[in-house]
Amino acid sequence: GAGVSQSPSNKVTEKGKDVELRCDPISGHTALYWYRQRLGQGLEFLIYFQGNSAPDKSGLPSDRFSAERTGESVSTLTIQRTQQEDSAVYLCASSLAGESSYEQYFGPGTRLTVT
Amino acid sequence: AQSVTQLDSQVPVFEEAPVELRCNYSSSVSVYLFWYVQYPNQGLQLLLKYLSGSTLVKGINGFEAEFNKSQTSFHLRKPSVHISDTAEYFCAVKMDTGRRALTFGSGTRLQVQP
Repeated sequence: GAGVSQSPSNKVTEKGKDVELRCDPISGHTALYWYRQRLGQGLEFLIYFQGNSAPDKSGLPSDRFSAERTGESVSTLTIQRTQQEDSAVYLCASSLAGESSYEQYFGPGTRLTVT
Repeated sequence: AQSVTQLDSQVPVFEEAPVELRCNYSSSVSVYLFWYVQYPNQGLQLLLKYLSGSTLVKGINGFEAEFNKSQTSFHLRKPSVHISDTAEYFCAVKMDTGRRALTFGSGTRLQVQP
């Protein structure tokens, strides 16, 4: 079946502009995660959605970052007034509930470059 | 807070040689452990995971890892590597309570040379 998809695959934007990144999780996966991967570094957790529960936003680095998810479908990550330090690959993952939630399936990522 | 350390940023190895990629973690509670692989221009793929039971875990593509609680390690091994194993490998940890997100190490780039 279809995996996690993300769009766009690449985004170049000017400093100060807003950007919106999209994630389509695997159908039936109730949990959705956003991570950020800076060059040469591991993945940093940003935000987690589980069903209709309040999202875990503890990883968002500043109030310029926000994310939404409608039900158990698409999620969008928005970065306002982008800065050069926001340049990174943004990865989305989804998983089932319960113990199966330990296995997260990742999308190919969106490479964001802020000039 | 938990953390994951992958001491080797790059590991060059010749084809058909054995390899070990090191991973150490710190956590005050029980954890679940994972290795992910990222091939060039692709997303992360789960190689193997340790949730409970046998401390030796076998994964895809001939990889295995051993959970050592006393040394807080989860090293990844393969007895004979192929050129196609060239990729970035990430160790990740999840606590058995609280936040469901994974904590990742900084990654190890495995470069298999002919």
